[in-house]
Amino acid sequence: NAGVTQTPKFQVLKTGQSMTLQCAQDMNHNSMYWYRQDPGMGLRLIYYSASEGTTDKGEVPNGYNVSRLNKREFSLRLESAAPSQTSVYFCASSDGSGRGYEQYFGPGTRLTVT
Amino acid sequence: AQSVTQPDIHITVSEGASLELRCNYSYGATPYLFWYVQSPGQGLQLLLKYFSGDTLVQGIKGFEAEFKRSQSSFNLRKPSVHWSDAAEYFCAVDPRTLGRLYFGRGTQLTVWP
Repeated sequence: NAGVTQTPKFQVLKTGQSMTLQCAQDMNHNSMYWYRQDPGMGLRLIYYSASEGTTDKGEVPNGYNVSRLNKREFSLRLESAAPSQTSVYFCASSDGSGRGYEQYFGPGTRLTVT
Repeated sequence: AQSVTQPDIHITVSEGASLELRCNYSYGATPYLFWYVQSPGQGLQLLLKYFSGDTLVQGIKGFEAEFKRSQSSFNLRKPSVHWSDAAEYFCAVDPRTLGRLYFGRGTQLTVWP
């Protein structure tokens, strides 16, 4: 039981390049989330998926797209990376949304955009 | 505006001393409340959570937190800190109606030997 896994762990991009961050969970959770963490800012929600087939914007969605590929996988895409997207990205999953379920976090992807 | 506030950016304590990390929130109804811990280079781990009932909740690693409705607070405490408690601590709020968590900006804890 690996929990929440993320790939890659580290990535360096040049401005304008694109990439997809992958996330998978093996806990049969319904809800999945993408956050970014910047120093002194805590975690801010980018997008979330309350259930398979649905996605919704969070606090900071601009410049990102997501795909809930199936119940296990939730990917985050940067179409044209910008230096402002340099951050640590965390994926999380939970058994439900709006009902106080604990979110389980992956180990993070450290992204640098030059 | 709705928010989660952790007023202390950085706290330093000596090993064996007591600890209290503060968290205040501003949401209309009593939300679900959480404390998470993040060790360097790691993801977040849940320490404890409050849904309803007894306002003093126990968590892992000897932590506890007290919900005070009148103060809109959910402060985290530990009676005796260990060097391994050095980490960043995040308070998080689920407003019950929006289906997601809102995080405070975190408190970095340094423990002196």
